[in-house]
Amino acid sequence: DSGVTQTPKHLITATGQRVTLRCSPRSGDLSVYWYQQSLDQGLQFLIQYYNGEERAKGNILERFSAQQFPDLHSELNLSSLELGDSALYFCASSLGLAGGPVEETQYFGPGTRLLVL
Amino acid sequence: LAKTTQPISMDSYEGQEVNITCSHNNIATNDYITWYQQFPSQGPRFIIQGYKTKVTNEVASLFIPADRKSSTLSLPRVSLSDTAVYYCLVGGNNAGNMLTFGGGTRLMVKP
Repeated sequence: DSGVTQTPKHLITATGQRVTLRCSPRSGDLSVYWYQQSLDQGLQFLIQYYNGEERAKGNILERFSAQQFPDLHSELNLSSLELGDSALYFCASSLGLAGGPVEETQYFGPGTRLLVL
Repeated sequence: LAKTTQPISMDSYEGQEVNITCSHNNIATNDYITWYQQFPSQGPRFIIQGYKTKVTNEVASLFIPADRKSSTLSLPRVSLSDTAVYYCLVGGNNAGNMLTFGGGTRLMVKP
C-alpha cells in the first residue's frame, strides 16, 4: 500500500459526459501527479501540482483539467468524453520539497479505470 | 529529459537471477536512475534508485557504471510473482521534473 488513494476504482460512462477523478496523496506529500495509461501502453504524464499550484504540464488534452485543493487532495476532470479516453488513470504523489531524488520519488495510487461507452 | 532504452521483453525461470539493462546515453549530471515495477491494472511501485556504483535493498540491486550511460537492475532468485513490467527512469532531481515512462521491459517468469 503506497498511501495514495484514488476514487472511484471503476467508472463507466457515456461519450460526451463529464467525470471527476479524485486523489488523496500520501500524508505529508505536497506534489500530486496525474498519468493516463491506455490498454497495453505506457504511462503518459498529464499534469503535476505542487502545494495547490500547477507545476508541470504534459500531454493533457484541453478537455481535461485538474486542480489541487488546500487539503492537498487533487481532482482530475475529464469532459466531453470520447471512446479513446477509456484508460487507467493513475495519481502519484511525492514530497516535492524541491530537494533531491528522495523527495521527488513518486508513489502511485491504485488507479481509476474509466470506460467510456 | 534523458531518453531510456530497455529490452521490450525478457523470459526467465523461477530461482534464476534476472538482469535488466537500461541505456540512457543522455543522462545529465544531476539525474538519478529510478526503477519501477508494475503489475497489470496496478500503479507502478518504486523498486530502487541510485546515482552511481551499486545500490542494494531488500528486493533488488542496481549497478551503475562510472560513465552512468547505462544501468542494470538485478533481481535475485525471481519467483512467478516477479512477472511484471519494469520501467527505468532518469531524472527526478529537480522540482517539477516529470517522469517519462518508456515502454518498459515485460518480464515473464516461468515455473
